[in-house]
Parts: sequence; structure tokens; C-alpha cells
Amino acid sequence: DTGVSQDPRHKITKRGQNVTFRCDPISEHNRLYWYRQTLGQGPEFLTYFQNEAQLEKSRLLSDRFSAERPKGSFSTLEIQRTEQGDSAMYLCASSSNAPLAGGIYEQYFGPGTRLTVT
Amino acid sequence: AQSVTQLDSHVSVSEGTPVLLRCNYSSSYSPSLFWYVQHPNKGLQLLLKYTSAATLVKGINGFEAEFKKSETSFHLTKPSAHMSDAAEYFCVVSDRDDKIIFGKGTRLHILP
Repeated sequence: DTGVSQDPRHKITKRGQNVTFRCDPISEHNRLYWYRQTLGQGPEFLTYFQNEAQLEKSRLLSDRFSAERPKGSFSTLEIQRTEQGDSAMYLCASSSNAPLAGGIYEQYFGPGTRLTVT
Repeated sequence: AQSVTQLDSHVSVSEGTPVLLRCNYSSSYSPSLFWYVQHPNKGLQLLLKYTSAATLVKGINGFEAEFKKSETSFHLTKPSAHMSDAAEYFCVVSDRDDKIIFGKGTRLHILP
């Protein structure tokens, strides 16, 4: 399967613990995005990488959140000192460097990691 | 600033009848618009996209959408609903800064 993969698919943790999620983009896609989706809402942008460079971070990404993409391939999203409000689906997407007409990059989404903080 | 509004949080139709999911957008530039579908426990799947070419866009599974600039709308339609269409549908707007903004979603229920 050559789609975007995410690991784990589900994570249950106790408040205060640290968690780390992994995303493997489509091979050779150099753009990688993280989103968070809470119940009843659409996904919200968190951060974006082009190769290994983190180019943008949303205000949603508090200082307890950190994302890395050290070799420009897979990415990790870490949440420190988790809170119950962090419970959500965390989605990863990737896109190539070839834009569609209009200069937009089509994003391909992974299945997500569902985080439950108890 | 860009935004997208999905006018219905839930839509119920009978199997075999038409589907209409409504979406209005706001964008500073000529936007690109997308519809994604999310089935339970599955990733977001792109249904169709509009990127300044033909205003009537055909997607997968018999869905289509029409870009109407005068109405700032991009409604999703399908002539005949199938049980497998039951899912959450998201309207998405994107402009030149590569940000994409999702609507809150419309849950489509198909009645037998």
C-alpha cells in the first residue's frame, strides 16, 4: 500500500503522560501536514513541513506540542503532559511538489491516530 | 481570509433519491475547492476538486459539484443515493498560501 500511514491508530493515555505519533507520507512527497479533528468538527490545521523544514505552525499548537521531520521523510508529533482537551483524532497528510492548476497542492490523508486522554 | 460554511450538519435521504449537500465559501482570491468524504474508521478521501477549470466538476462514486462564483457556493450532488454513501462529508477551501480550511462537516444518512 503506498498511501499515507499513521501509527498507532489508537492511543489511550492518562493525563500528564507524553505521547508520540508517527506519520509516513507517500513516498517522495515532500510536503507533510498535521491536523487535529475533534468530535463534530472538521480537521484543523496544526503544522506543515516542506522536506525537513517546519514552515508554519498554527496557534492551536501550544508549547506542549512538537513536531519533527528530521530526514524529510516520516514525521513525529509529540504531546507532552497530555490534557483531556487533547483527546482528538490526529490526521497526517502529504502532497507532492507539483501543484494543481491554481497553485494548490492536493493533500492525501492518512487514517489518523485517535487519542483518548483519561 | 478564507472560510467555508456547510449549511447542514445532518442530511437524511432515502436510498435512490437525490443528494444535495450545501457549501458556501469566502475567499480573498480565486479559491480552489474540494469535497472530501470520511467513512467511519477510514481516512479522508477526496471526492472531487475545483481548481479554476470547468465549473461543473465530476468526482468519484457519481458525485458532482458546481462552482457558482456569484453565489459563492460549491454544493455537492448525486442523482441517486446508495446505502454506501452514508458518511461525513467535508467541504474544503484553499487559496494561494497553501492553507486548506475544512467546513464542520455534513453527516449524510441514507434511509432504506
